[in-house]
Amino acid sequence: DGGITQSPKYLFRKEGQNVTLSCEQNLNHDAMYWYRQDPGQGLRLIYYSQIVNDFQKGDIAEGYSVSREKKESFPLTVTSAQKNPTAFYLCASSMDYQPQHFGDGTRLSIL
Amino acid sequence: AQKVTQAQTEISVVEKEDVTLDCVYETRDTTYYLFWYKQPPSGELVFLIRRNSFDEQNEISGRYSWNFQKSTSSFNFTITASQVVDSAVYFCALRVNNNDMRFGAGTRLTVKP
Repeated sequence: DGGITQSPKYLFRKEGQNVTLSCEQNLNHDAMYWYRQDPGQGLRLIYYSQIVNDFQKGDIAEGYSVSREKKESFPLTVTSAQKNPTAFYLCASSMDYQPQHFGDGTRLSIL
Repeated sequence: AQKVTQAQTEISVVEKEDVTLDCVYETRDTTYYLFWYKQPPSGELVFLIRRNSFDEQNEISGRYSWNFQKSTSSFNFTITASQVVDSAVYFCALRVNNNDMRFGAGTRLTVKP
């Protein structure tokens, strides 16, 4: 079935450690997005990519990095510079103005 | 700037009651899209509906209906005869270009048996 796969489902980060969240899609969508969701809040855009080898910062990009080497993949790295990384992270993809399709999310916590 | 306000943080109803979730948006663009998503406890966002700014027709899909009114910048969502399975967080979202999608804070709906 076509869809978006995020892994892992749960992730723990130690102080000073970088961690990478995986996002893969087989929907042949050009655009991919990373959102952060904090309890009781809506989704905030971290980074987005419209085509391979190109990506743009969203509203809260500080402390995060991404790459888009393949159309299907858009991994997100949470760096040690992100001082409050505990959150639920959602990856999405879409074509043009079609609705975004979302993955199941990764819940990141600090050890 | 684009903004979506969902003033109702939490709503609790008893099964079979009707419930309306409010959504008010702000934008200066004349072309935009409005969305509703459902987030069940499992976490993924499930797309429910998309409306573009030139189509003010209300829509009904089974027990779900949406009322889009540009005059009041609102895009409200009504669930008729609610069921326990409707319990979730519901997000309204506004999109004015391909990459600027703004979500409201969400409304947590609890339907009690």
